[in-house]
Amino acid sequence: QVQLQEPGPGLVKPSETLSLTCSVSGGSVRSGSFYWSWIRQPPGKGLEWIGYIHYSGSTNYNPSLKSRVTISLDTSKNQFSLKLTSVTAADTAVYYCAREDLIDQYMDVWGKGTAVTVSS
Amino acid sequence: EIVLTQSPGTLSLSPGERATLSCRASQNVFSNYLAWYQQKPGQAPRLLMYGASRRATGIPDRFSGSGSGTDFTLTISRLEPEDFAVYYCQQSGSSRTFGQGTKVEIK
Repeated sequence: QVQLQEPGPGLVKPSETLSLTCSVSGGSVRSGSFYWSWIRQPPGKGLEWIGYIHYSGSTNYNPSLKSRVTISLDTSKNQFSLKLTSVTAADTAVYYCAREDLIDQYMDVWGKGTAVTVSS
Repeated sequence: EIVLTQSPGTLSLSPGERATLSCRASQNVFSNYLAWYQQKPGQAPRLLMYGASRRATGIPDRFSGSGSGTDFTLTISRLEPEDFAVYYCQQSGSSRTFGQGTKVEIK
């Protein structure tokens, strides 16, 4: 079965760039049947969708984060990545990667999440 | 942006009781692209329902979903101890947004 894993940096300084990678096992990011997504959850709060990428290269980002977000795909490593620039304390959250079904648009496989703290 | 408003914020019930959770959208959700997720402390969300009323693989039939347009409901017919958690609705009809969550707690 497909599994996603997103080990992360843990601590990022304000104004720097947060970089996370999600490794996919048991499936392929080359599959055209899925979007590969990032979602985050600030401590004690709800879920916020960040964006997704499709194998074709098409991306879709949360309008509120669009100016700072880039999601990319590395098919040779079967991974996809998130870059979030100019971070502040408000970007402190657990970051999840997830797979979204292209047709029915639900997120059925999630990574366990990685906690990222923005602090000097 | 479609805003999803979930109610109530907290539901206090006993095992065996019926839980009814509401999710209201600020605009029609295209093609009923409405999903429900369950999240327990320290865990990733788990998909329960999609297409408003379709149960995900392995989800017990005590979970059911209904609704269309702007009003959606998740019902748990008889609460089991493992059902006490936070539940989120999420729409994919226009970009993607989540509701703020409903916590189902033991009374």
